Amino acid sequence: DSGVTQTPKHLITATGQRVTLRCSPRSGDLSVYWYQQSLDQGLQFLIQYYNGEERAKGNILERFSAQQFPDLHSELNLSSLELGDSALYFCASSVVGTSTEAFFGQGTRLTVV
Amino acid sequence: DQQVKQNSPSLSVQEGRISILNCDYTNSMFDYFLWYKKYPAEGPTFLISISSIKDKNEDGRFTVFLNKSAKHLSLHIVPSQPGDSAVYFCAASAAGAQKLVFGQGTRLTINP
Repeated sequence: DSGVTQTPKHLITATGQRVTLRCSPRSGDLSVYWYQQSLDQGLQFLIQYYNGEERAKGNILERFSAQQFPDLHSELNLSSLELGDSALYFCASSVVGTSTEAFFGQGTRLTVV
Repeated sequence: DQQVKQNSPSLSVQEGRISILNCDYTNSMFDYFLWYKKYPAEGPTFLISISSIKDKNEDGRFTVFLNKSAKHLSLHIVPSQPGDSAVYFCAASAAGAQKLVFGQGTRLTINP
């Protein structure tokens, strides 16, 4: 158990819909990262928050947004969903602002039908 | 633009033998490299890392080698055990960068 909690574990939704993925970091970790893993692909960095503020952005679509709340949990919002958004979405956390040795959650498997 | 590449999608090794997983990178700014292991239905777990100031780091059965001139790193597992069967991801980061850049992963299968 990494200590990073992601909910829900599975999500099936229709094209055009909006979903919210939730992540609770390890106790004491200030940084949260979101990664996307499409079928047979590596993990693609989406976005990072550090202590409530956006710190870095990767290849995140404009239809996607995220935020980190005062209690340090984070949410990833995906809207106008397309079939190609079907993927595993991982959240990771670390104590400091760099992602070295980040701890990953179990992921949310999103299926868009 | 695949900055970190794992060219072998899969590898099969007999139990007790050595497993060697390879990773190549293109960005000369990368100075920290990590290996993560992933079981089905679980998130990646950190395995071992190496800084660019070193060329080798060892932790039990796991050793990572870094060849900066070739922009190549490898993970050696000796001896391989059935529990090592998983997908292994190579990742890299640049100094001050906020993200890890991952390779596509190599599925390692250890045969009894």
